[in-house]
Amino acid sequence: EADIYQTPRYLVIGTGKKITLECSQTMGHDKMYWYQQDPGMELHLIHYSYGVNSTEKGDLSSESTVSRIRTEHFPLTLESARPSHTSQYLCASARGEDQPQHFGDGTRLSIL
Amino acid sequence: QKEVEQNSGPLSVPEGAIASLNCTYSDRGSQSFFWYRQYSGKSPELIMFIYSNGDKEDGRFTAQLNKASQYVSLLIRDSQPSDSATYLCAVRGTGGFKTIFGAGTRLFVKA
Repeated sequence: EADIYQTPRYLVIGTGKKITLECSQTMGHDKMYWYQQDPGMELHLIHYSYGVNSTEKGDLSSESTVSRIRTEHFPLTLESARPSHTSQYLCASARGEDQPQHFGDGTRLSIL
Repeated sequence: QKEVEQNSGPLSVPEGAIASLNCTYSDRGSQSFFWYRQYSGKSPELIMFIYSNGDKEDGRFTAQLNKASQYVSLLIRDSQPSDSATYLCAVRGTGGFKTIFGAGTRLFVKA
């Protein structure tokens, strides 16, 4: 079973707030990913990290930032939350880009 | 054309039958292929991965890859009601670091 953890599991918060979603993995994986998924829809890559201090933007990254200071930790920050940010956010990690990704349980975010 | 295409379903099969899930992809140079199962409200969990043409079996699951025809399929033998979920096909293409996920096929196994 994959050892990747996301907190919080659920978050309801008002518009304009700064939000940080946490993701940690204990597998020593270099590759980490953030995805956004609406109900019944496909996963969209928000950010990718291929190692410490190395990140790339995905398809939906313009309103969020990430950092990778430690291998095991990959937090996602929304500087000013909007109702359009309401979604499920999934963090994943992998040993390599051609390897399977292991997902955390997700954070379900609701912006009022 | 989407990079990874799946029939959205729902696919309904009786308990004990074989469920066949299909996926096509557009990047001919793709080398890595994955099947994930996602229960409603949960995160995806890995079922199978396959890199070479042919079949790969793991318990009740068989992944089939045909690179010439650009499709990958997942067979579930002896389907159980607990197999009812959305199955995501994912393909690691040649264009950079992304693994592209399909929108998924919903499977219902009727008891």
